[in-house]
Amino acid sequence: DAKTTQPNSMESNEEEPVHLPCNHSTISGTDYIHWYRQLPSQGPEYVIHGLTSNVNNRMASLAIAEDRKSSTLILHRATLRDAAVYYCIYYGGSQGNLIFGKGTKLSVKP
Amino acid sequence: DSGVTQTPKHLITATGQRVTLRCSPRSGDLSVYWYQQSLDQGLQFLIQYYNGEERAKGNILERFSAQQFPDLHSELNLSSLELGDSALYFCASSVTDRYPGNTIYFGEGSWLTVV
Repeated sequence: DAKTTQPNSMESNEEEPVHLPCNHSTISGTDYIHWYRQLPSQGPEYVIHGLTSNVNNRMASLAIAEDRKSSTLILHRATLRDAAVYYCIYYGGSQGNLIFGKGTKLSVKP
Repeated sequence: DSGVTQTPKHLITATGQRVTLRCSPRSGDLSVYWYQQSLDQGLQFLIQYYNGEERAKGNILERFSAQQFPDLHSELNLSSLELGDSALYFCASSVTDRYPGNTIYFGEGSWLTVV
């Protein structure tokens, strides 16, 4: 299984930036880093993914360390709707499925 | 709305029974995945199909089976149900099966309660 390490939980205030860290020290050169999130009572939702360089989309930014052994998901302005469990996953071409860890439960305070 | 449709949304059944969960993938997606989520085990990958063929198998019990049909919909069959099988079962789909940058889209899940 592809192993990642994330904090169990984090707290943020509404409208402040949130940096969610993830360690993936055993990642290989062809593995993509994916972030998904799961809101309460919903299925996981794709957030962002990247390989080497930093990535931005309408939901978040992904900052990947130069050695690729860690990454950070950045929510620029947290909203109450961003309260969810955030999963950091990596996988390569040998398998297409995602192996989820425990994730980080993000709480957002008004 | 991810475009992945799962039925039924909720199901209550007795121990020893058999149920079938159905999944319609997003239009154009060839790969289907099944996951189980329970409170103590988190999200567990069960099985993956691509264009009708089994691609990968995870922690799927022998009492469980799945298939993907020619129209690409998939069914997960759970038999000889036990109390511990109570969980949320997710179906997901993606365009391809192995591309590492592949994005996987999840349905809203089927809640199974075994009593």
